[in-house]
Amino acid sequence: DAGVIQSPRHEVTEMGQEVTLRCKPISGHDYLFWYRQTMMRGLELLIYFNNNVPIDDSGMPEDRFSAKMPNASFSTLKIQPSEPRDSAVYFCASFRYNELHNEQFFGPGTRLTVL
Amino acid sequence: AQKITQTQPGMFVQEKEAVTLDCTYDTSDPSYGLFWYKQPSSGEMIFLIYQGSYDQQNATEGRYSLNFQKARKSANLVISASQLGDSAMYFCAMREAGDAGNMLTFGGGTRLMVKP
Repeated sequence: DAGVIQSPRHEVTEMGQEVTLRCKPISGHDYLFWYRQTMMRGLELLIYFNNNVPIDDSGMPEDRFSAKMPNASFSTLKIQPSEPRDSAVYFCASFRYNELHNEQFFGPGTRLTVL
Repeated sequence: AQKITQTQPGMFVQEKEAVTLDCTYDTSDPSYGLFWYKQPSSGEMIFLIYQGSYDQQNATEGRYSLNFQKARKSANLVISASQLGDSAMYFCAMREAGDAGNMLTFGGGTRLMVKP
């Protein structure tokens, strides 16, 4: 399996622009998570989906952030308008629920820089 | 209160020696899972080891073992025979059952540096 795929790997944009991050989970996984990692706040869960349905979005910082999962193989995280404080590494992770470990498999991350 | 606490921001260990990375957690849920992830400088998150709250034995995976002390609410990661490639950030995480679903809460991480 190719693992969790994220694109782009790096994104540099200017304040006020719209940014869209993309994620393809591992085939067959029914949970998908979006995390943000910064030096100040560490790893934070933003939102997660189960069977394409958003379950908990309490970590989404503001209305500028939105996430969708139109099907089992694709999710987007959108920031509109972007601000410098959104600069971070954004990870997508997925797993398939079972009775064992349920470890989340992480994508390589998208490093976002907002100027 | 912090759910996951990693008190060592950075640690050094000599190559080939063992090292223990500390993790304490806070939960009132009787069913939970504890995870350790490694993040090398390249940035990816790599799953290392898992311990379930009902597991009777400490988890082991190759050179990684988990020193699980349930009464103390600690789940320390032990890396035996350290290698240069072990230099990385290490994160402890917890998954609680019930309403929290399957989300993970991460600690602040420990940066491990292996000296040759």
